[in-house]
Parts: sequence; structure tokens; C-alpha cells
Amino acid sequence: AQSVTQLDSHVSVSEGTPVLLRCNYSSSYSPSLFWYVQHPNKGLQLLLKYTSAATLVKGINGFEAEFKKSETSFHLTKPSAHMSDAAEYFCVVRDTGTYKYIFGTGTRLKVLA
Amino acid sequence: DAEITQSPRHKITETGRQVTLACHQTWNHNNMFWYRQDLGHGLRLIHYSYGVQDTNKGEVSDGYSVSRSNTEDLPLTLESAASSQTSVYFCASSDGDPPYEQYFGPGTRLTVT
Repeated sequence: AQSVTQLDSHVSVSEGTPVLLRCNYSSSYSPSLFWYVQHPNKGLQLLLKYTSAATLVKGINGFEAEFKKSETSFHLTKPSAHMSDAAEYFCVVRDTGTYKYIFGTGTRLKVLA
Repeated sequence: DAEITQSPRHKITETGRQVTLACHQTWNHNNMFWYRQDLGHGLRLIHYSYGVQDTNKGEVSDGYSVSRSNTEDLPLTLESAASSQTSVYFCASSDGDPPYEQYFGPGTRLTVT
């Protein structure tokens, strides 16, 4: 069965510094991977998706993620954090066997002024 | 623009009552999902559907039911509401073709007293 692990439940960064949110997955096949963001009291918004076309995926709001098959990782990064980036972030893998989506437990990003 | 909507956005009900949460999407997606989100548990799958007349149980389906009579709607029914079903409920839809990203509704906050 496929699974996804978000390695940090909370991350704090200062405004203007880089952001790194870590995600590891397990998959027997070429996975479909996603990052979603959820702002307080809002729904989930797609940040970016891995479609096997390129290992470095660019998303909205300056975020990007790199698919590393050898490390089974799909970490989310942003060069410079903004106060509006404070939210919860979910790494998701689509199970190629059942077609269901497996969610990580989320990483809450705090951005300090 | 295509969208996915949920109603009501907030609902307070009493223990034992039947409650139905509506989900409507205009993406023309075959796949639809219901999740609940609780602190400490992330998003958990309740039910899902891969097309009209198709429904499947997720990991936390006890006490919930769905029916799919058309492509656009997947209502979620709580047969006899319990306090343990107090949660935020999200509906999502996805296409059956790559890259398979899910689109989420804004959520329904349900309180069972």
C-alpha cells in the first residue's frame, strides 16, 4: 500500500527566509504526487502536482517541489517566505491501485515578522 | 468558471437527527469524494464515487451514506447524527485522466449537540 509521511508537523521561518516542507512517500509505481495548502477556515487549494513530465515542479505563489525517486521524496520549497504563506500544507499521493488519495498529516507553517 | 460548492456552510443539529450535506460540482468530473477533517487526524475518507450509481466506502464510513444519481452531485447523509460526527466536511472531485488533481469545496462545519 502506498503511504505518505510529512516529517514535520510544525515549521517556523522568518519572513524573507527560505521555506522547506518535507514529504516522503512509498509507492510501488510511478506515483502521482500533490501539495495542497489550507488557510485557516478555508478549503484545500492545489499548490502543485507531479505528473512525471519533469522532476522539478513549479507551482503557484513561488512554491516548487522536486521529485527524487531515489530518495522517495517530494519536498516543497520557496526561496523567500511571505506572511501570507502561513497555513497548513498537505502532501498527497494518489494510490495507483485503489485510485484513492493518501494524505499526509499536514505541516503547519508559521511565518515570523 | 467550473467550481465545487457545498451547502450548508455551517450546520448545528441534535443527536439522533438525520442530516444531509450537499456537494455540487460543475467540472463534469466522474470522481467525487467526501472527507472529514479533525484535529490530529488530517483528512479521512468517508465515501467516494467513480461515476453515476457507483459508491464506495472509505476508511470512516460508519454512520454515513451517499448516493450518486447524476454526475454533478454527491450528497452525504448522516443517518442518525452523533457527537463524534462533529467535524468539518470537505467534498472533492477529480478527473479520471492524468494528472488526477482533486478540487475541493469550501467545507461544511457540522456541530452535533
